[in-house]
Amino acid sequence: RKEVEQDPGPFNVPEGATVAFNCTYSNSASQSFFWYRQDCRKEPKLLMSVYSSGNEDGRFTAQLNRASQYISLLIRDSKLSDSATYLCVVRSYNTDKLIFGTGTRLQVFP
Amino acid sequence: GAGVSQTPSNKVTEKGKYVELRCDPISGHTALYWYRQSLGQGPEFLIYFQGTGAADDSGLPNDRFFAVRPEGSVSTLKIQRTERGDSAVYLCASSLDSNSGNTIYFGEGSWLTVV
Repeated sequence: RKEVEQDPGPFNVPEGATVAFNCTYSNSASQSFFWYRQDCRKEPKLLMSVYSSGNEDGRFTAQLNRASQYISLLIRDSKLSDSATYLCVVRSYNTDKLIFGTGTRLQVFP
Repeated sequence: GAGVSQTPSNKVTEKGKYVELRCDPISGHTALYWYRQSLGQGPEFLIYFQGTGAADDSGLPNDRFFAVRPEGSVSTLKIQRTERGDSAVYLCASSLDSNSGNTIYFGEGSWLTVV
């Protein structure tokens, strides 16, 4: 079983739609959680960190459920420019490496 | 530029050849990471340096892969006797230090094709 699991998609949604991505992680010692965005043939870039209390950044909302070892990302009012792959990432407290999921591909159409 | 710089950006090599990929981290960043990403997959951890030493090399797939960071800045990933399965994009990243609160920044990657 992979340490971080995501539905690879693709998710095809119209502009203005709300879309949610989910991610599960297997290592209960995981301490830090992130969503990264990766455009085609580009490097991953940090979208947002995920905090236990949940956090919002504009149209993006991230949630963490430690008991279920589950992370989510909600995108409201989707834009064409949101089309990308969204990578779920975890980091354990006893190691400094980031563990990535396979990514979920989002395609927003007009 | 001020970002993580990787060279070459593209490399085509023949099976069995030796390859070196270079990473120049953001100035002042002591932590440096190497990842490998294959098509349709997320980045896969290879090795991480804190300063000059390899703090965790558990992701190196076999002894054909080796990485160094002799002066605590530039790092080189070395692949011996390349195989077609080594074809991937090799991503380097750096952060201020290994503190979990620090953002990790990626370079644009070195795209390796083994023919």
